[in-house]
Amino acid sequence: DVKVTQSSRYLVKRTGEKVFLECVQDMDHENMFWYRQDPGLGLRLIYFSYDVKMKEKGDIPEGYSVSREKKERFSLILESASTNQTSMYLCASSLVSAGHETQYFGPGTRLLVL
Amino acid sequence: RKEVEQDPGPFNVPEGATVAFNCTYSNSASQSFFWYRQDCRKEPKLLMSVYSSGNEDGRFTAQLNRASQYISLLIRDSKLSDSATYLCVVNGRDTDKLIFGTGTRLQVFP
Repeated sequence: DVKVTQSSRYLVKRTGEKVFLECVQDMDHENMFWYRQDPGLGLRLIYFSYDVKMKEKGDIPEGYSVSREKKERFSLILESASTNQTSMYLCASSLVSAGHETQYFGPGTRLLVL
Repeated sequence: RKEVEQDPGPFNVPEGATVAFNCTYSNSASQSFFWYRQDCRKEPKLLMSVYSSGNEDGRFTAQLNRASQYISLLIRDSKLSDSATYLCVVNGRDTDKLIFGTGTRLQVFP
């Protein structure tokens, strides 16, 4: 069974803080993704990665950065948290090309920025 | 126009009912289609892929209509446990990315 874990289920941060969200998958998947999910807007892709040390911008990368130093770990960084980054953050992984393979999601991190 | 559009619902149906959801997509070049299920405050999970010829998995049937650019999900004999949000997912213009619809909420009542 594929397992994707995220470091926190709930986080509360203050405006301006640097925030790290960690994601780990245990199935040796090549691809990893970070989404945010907001009511009425669905899942929106922030960043993704096809390989170690490789990253690609998604649809809404502004205010975020990522790091993939190891194949199993993909980190999302909010350089200076703002209230409009309050959201549910979902990490996902897939074996090969995302367009043709199932994505497996972690349980999500609910981030509240005050 | 959104790349993937779904009726948000909610669809409120009694146990045992048959319910159908449709989803339209804008990219005629899309090749991959999926239905994901998301329970309240949980992560999305793959329900089923959608194949050109249509496919069935138990009480669930998925259909693809390329000419009209929509996919559908039919649930027969609804169970209370089917209550969830159903996400329509299509690969986008950049075919390595998936585009998620905002979901259709289903509530099955006793």
